Amino acid sequence: SQKIEQNSEALNIQEGKTATLTCNYTNYSPAYLQWYRQDPGRGPVFLLLIRENEKEKRKERLKVTFDTTLKQSLFHITASQPADSATYLCALDSGGYNKLIFGAGTRLAVHP
Amino acid sequence: GAGVSQSPRYKVAKRGQDVALRCDPISGHVSLFWYQQALGQGPEFLTYFQNEAQLDKSGLPSDRFFAERPEGSVSTLKIQRTQQEDSAVYLCASSSAPDYEQYFGPGTRLTVT
Repeated sequence: SQKIEQNSEALNIQEGKTATLTCNYTNYSPAYLQWYRQDPGRGPVFLLLIRENEKEKRKERLKVTFDTTLKQSLFHITASQPADSATYLCALDSGGYNKLIFGAGTRLAVHP
Repeated sequence: GAGVSQSPRYKVAKRGQDVALRCDPISGHVSLFWYQQALGQGPEFLTYFQNEAQLDKSGLPSDRFFAERPEGSVSTLKIQRTQQEDSAVYLCASSSAPDYEQYFGPGTRLTVT
């Protein structure tokens, strides 16, 4: 069956360090992958989309890589800040009209 | 506001009651999605509309769940004879086109007692 895995445990890092979150998938061949941020009590907020023919994408302090051979995406936040503390969700398209399949998310805590 | 809005934000229903959850997407967005999110999990797809057409309802957990978008804008998710396992946050998202990012509303937290 189709499966998406993200780090199940919370990631704790020191302010200023780089946070790296992992998204692994099996039994998919997604055309693209998206990353969202979710704060408690709020809906997810879109961060980045990367397509299958793109190896890497950047936006300000964010960087996403997509390795279709390894079936893995890495999400990096450089120079992390306490305001980056949130749950980060990986989502794959399952074909067609942007039907997204989400991972369970990884909770990131950035400590001052 | 320009974002996706949902109402009510919180709903407590007694088991067996019917509930209706409303979603106002971003104006002009063709695509509308409903998701269900359990505590500590990612959103799970329920159903998809393109304008007023419901093109995919494969994620609806049972025939007690029904969604509509009669004029291609506002959508309602209805749950009949609610059960405790229906307790979750129900998220609505809209998108301007396929392959584009989805804009989520704040969700409706449904608690069935």
